[in-house]
Amino acid sequence: GDSVTQMEGPVTLSEEAFLTINCTYTATGYPSLFWYVQYPGEGLQLLLKATKADDKGSNKGFEATYRKETTSFHLEKGSVQVSDSAVYFCALIPDYKLSFGAGTTVTVRA
Amino acid sequence: ETGVTQSPTHLIKTRGQQVTLRCSSQSGHNTVSWYQQALGQGPQFIFQYYREEENGRGNFPPRFSGLQFPNYSSELNVNALELDDSALYLCASSLGAVKNSPLHFGNGTRLTVT
Repeated sequence: GDSVTQMEGPVTLSEEAFLTINCTYTATGYPSLFWYVQYPGEGLQLLLKATKADDKGSNKGFEATYRKETTSFHLEKGSVQVSDSAVYFCALIPDYKLSFGAGTTVTVRA
Repeated sequence: ETGVTQSPTHLIKTRGQQVTLRCSSQSGHNTVSWYQQALGQGPQFIFQYYREEENGRGNFPPRFSGLQFPNYSSELNVNALELDDSALYLCASSLGAVKNSPLHFGNGTRLTVT
């Protein structure tokens, strides 16, 4: 079935460092791809999305490009802040249900 | 605009008991989905309700059941609780049951089964 595999954490970075979280997917059709973020004690928030190949989603300095040829949707941010500390989930939706990766915990130190 | 609200926030139950979790969807949304998030894992799809009908179900046993009401709020019921049911239960609402309709999540109900 459709699934997502994302880079395992935890990831610890210093403020202003570059962040990359790898995500690859397996799908039979043409899913939409998402990154969700979960701050401590909270639910999931949509960070960005892309609905077709070569689309680039961006929000709050984060970017991810839907790469059909490599079945990837890697998340990047050029300069992280302490407030970016959270768990990040890659997800796809082929029809009506989201399939999530296991999540990557990111900690940014001041 | 009111977001997705879930109640209660925390709950402790004993194995074998039954539990009901509640979710109020975001204003204007007619679709509610439920997810189970075990500690350290990604959320797993339980089921979705669209206009009061179950619209799809994940790989969960029948003791997980749900309802959606005319105001589009929803309940998740779990019978015969097992220790492995301990998890964060997330509700998400959306407008329409289509793949490009963004899901808005509540903060979840933390269920502990002892």
